[in-house]
Amino acid sequence: SQTIHQWPATLVQPVGSPLSLECTVEGTSNPNLYWYRQAAGRGLQLLFYSVGIGQISSEVPQNLSASRPQDRQFILSSKKLLLSDSGFYLCAWSDPGRLNSPLHFGNGTRLTVT
Amino acid sequence: GNSVTQMEGPVTLSEEAFLTINCTYTATGYPSLFWYVQYPGEGLQLLLKATKADDKGSNKGFEATYRKETTSFHLEKGSVQVSDSAVYFCALTSSNTGKLIFGQGTTLQVKP
Repeated sequence: SQTIHQWPATLVQPVGSPLSLECTVEGTSNPNLYWYRQAAGRGLQLLFYSVGIGQISSEVPQNLSASRPQDRQFILSSKKLLLSDSGFYLCAWSDPGRLNSPLHFGNGTRLTVT
Repeated sequence: GNSVTQMEGPVTLSEEAFLTINCTYTATGYPSLFWYVQYPGEGLQLLLKATKADDKGSNKGFEATYRKETTSFHLEKGSVQVSDSAVYFCALTSSNTGKLIFGQGTTLQVKP
């Protein structure tokens, strides 16, 4: 069966520090991968999605970047965090080749920028 | 563009009450519609889905019917439990992009 792992679960970082959140998927090949952010009291915003290694689409201009160095690994990064980067970050995957397949989410990373 | 609108929360109900959470959408093409649930401190879990007009998705006593004529996908449950307390997200995937677009979420609080 497929599983998705996301870490760390919580993170407190000072303003201006770098960020690296990692997500890996097991049990499937060439998944579509996604990073979402959920700000306090707000809905989910799609940040990045990827349909293959090295293929990253950015949905909104921001202080973050994403990379997919391996088929089932998706990394969210920042060189210098801002206070507004605080939030709950969720990684997700979906079946490749099926446009309307549901997303399967990790347990999320709660990031607090101080 | 594609979008999803949910009723604002929080929705507070007593145990065994009837639940409706409204969801309407705007989309081009033929989207699939989903309800996800997020329990406190956790990620999202798929609750139910419907892939074409008049389909009814159901799971754990929850139901939602894909209404193309009213562009709606309202979530219902006949008798809620305290354990149903969570945030519920309505979402759609666009048939031409495959990306999942979420509503803003509705918090449900069920009191014993």
